[in-house]
Amino acid sequence: KAGVTQTPRYLIKTRGQQVTLSCSPISGHRSVSWYQQTPGQGLQFLFEYFSETQRNKGNFPGRFSGRQFSNSRSEMNVSTLELGDSALYLCASSPMTEWMTDEQYFGPGTRLTVT
Amino acid sequence: EDKVVQSPLSLVVHEGDTVTLNCSYEVTNFRSLLWYKQEKKAPTFLFMLTSSGIEKKSGRLSSILDKKELFSILNITATQTGDSAIYLCAAKNSGGSNYKLTFGKGTLLTVNP
Repeated sequence: KAGVTQTPRYLIKTRGQQVTLSCSPISGHRSVSWYQQTPGQGLQFLFEYFSETQRNKGNFPGRFSGRQFSNSRSEMNVSTLELGDSALYLCASSPMTEWMTDEQYFGPGTRLTVT
Repeated sequence: EDKVVQSPLSLVVHEGDTVTLNCSYEVTNFRSLLWYKQEKKAPTFLFMLTSSGIEKKSGRLSSILDKKELFSILNITATQTGDSAIYLCAAKNSGGSNYKLTFGKGTLLTVNP
């Protein structure tokens, strides 16, 4: 089975711009979660989507949004970029067949640099 | 607020040493504790622990969960340079079918030859 894929892998944007990141989960996985990883804060949960619905959301401002399509692919959007948004953005998919035992599989991440 | 704390933050050992990484958590509706290994890119899954006191083992790696004291440890015996990585632990909580993972900041392990 192909793993989780994320595009683009690297991105450089300037302050004030917006960006859209894409994640394709493992085939058959219905849950997609997004995380932001920075050296200072570590891995922080952004949100989780299941069957096109956002089920959980972390403590991030409204500039961070996402969506999931019927084929389980997900996009994350960040508007009005700030320097502090520079980070590795990871997405993870899970089959969610049994929530207590399901593990998450991470993609390679998108490295976003805001200048 | 849910919290996961890992210690030490970094560790340098020599090949062949045994290391113990610690993870403590305070999470509402705790369901399970997960360990990941992160090298240069995506974290890769190591273990998921849901029951207290039951050791999970995979080769030289093993992990155990103590739900009473709210912590987990990850042991690596006979370390190799390929074990050098950031080790992340995460606590999963759940309210019904919803869940989220709270990650610790990780332990950076460096294994020198």
